[in-house]
Amino acid sequence: DADVTQTPRNRITKTGKRIMLECSQTKGHDRMYWYRQDPGLGLRLIYYSFDVKDINKGEISDGYSVSRQAQAKFSLSLESAIPNQTALYFCAIRGQGGTGELFFGEGSRLTVL
Amino acid sequence: SQQGEEDPQALSIQEGENATMNCSYKTSINNLQWYRQNSGRGLVHLILIRSNEREKHSGRLRVTLDTSKKSSSLLITASRAADTASYFCATQGGSEKLVFGKGTKLTVNP
Repeated sequence: DADVTQTPRNRITKTGKRIMLECSQTKGHDRMYWYRQDPGLGLRLIYYSFDVKDINKGEISDGYSVSRQAQAKFSLSLESAIPNQTALYFCAIRGQGGTGELFFGEGSRLTVL
Repeated sequence: SQQGEEDPQALSIQEGENATMNCSYKTSINNLQWYRQNSGRGLVHLILIRSNEREKHSGRLRVTLDTSKKSSSLLITASRAADTASYFCATQGGSEKLVFGKGTKLTVNP
């Protein structure tokens, strides 16, 4: 089984719809992250969480919200999707200490029409 | 804002040749990491080099770090077609956040 699982892998939706992307992990790491990838722009951090009670904004949090339901689960929501939120979204985890490598999920490709 | 900037943006070489990618950054760092991404897939960690290290090896990978120039390079020796991917550097400064560059797209032709 993958260490980091993202669902759905692909989603097409319409402008104004609410969308939730889910992430779960099996490694027991406390740190979880949501990144967005756009062609030519690399990865940009949306939100991150160090534990269930800790949520932090990244560089592009506007239009997004997150929920850390449990240590193993971190979901990203778009309350009212817009076309420029069309992107590839990645969840990542990192172990205690916060200085090591990130483990990424396979990504959720979202298209907003 | 992006911290690391990879150069070149794209690189095409023949199998067996060496591939060198560079990363420049702007502020002081604790560590710098390189990741690989196959088309449309998740990123995979390749190697981490700390600010007090100058060179690190892992298999066919060699990473150097020059903190005075705020730059790093990733060398892949004896490249293979399977090395075709995008390569990203990511820097970590005083916070726990990793900031990624825009990547170098490497194509290794058989």
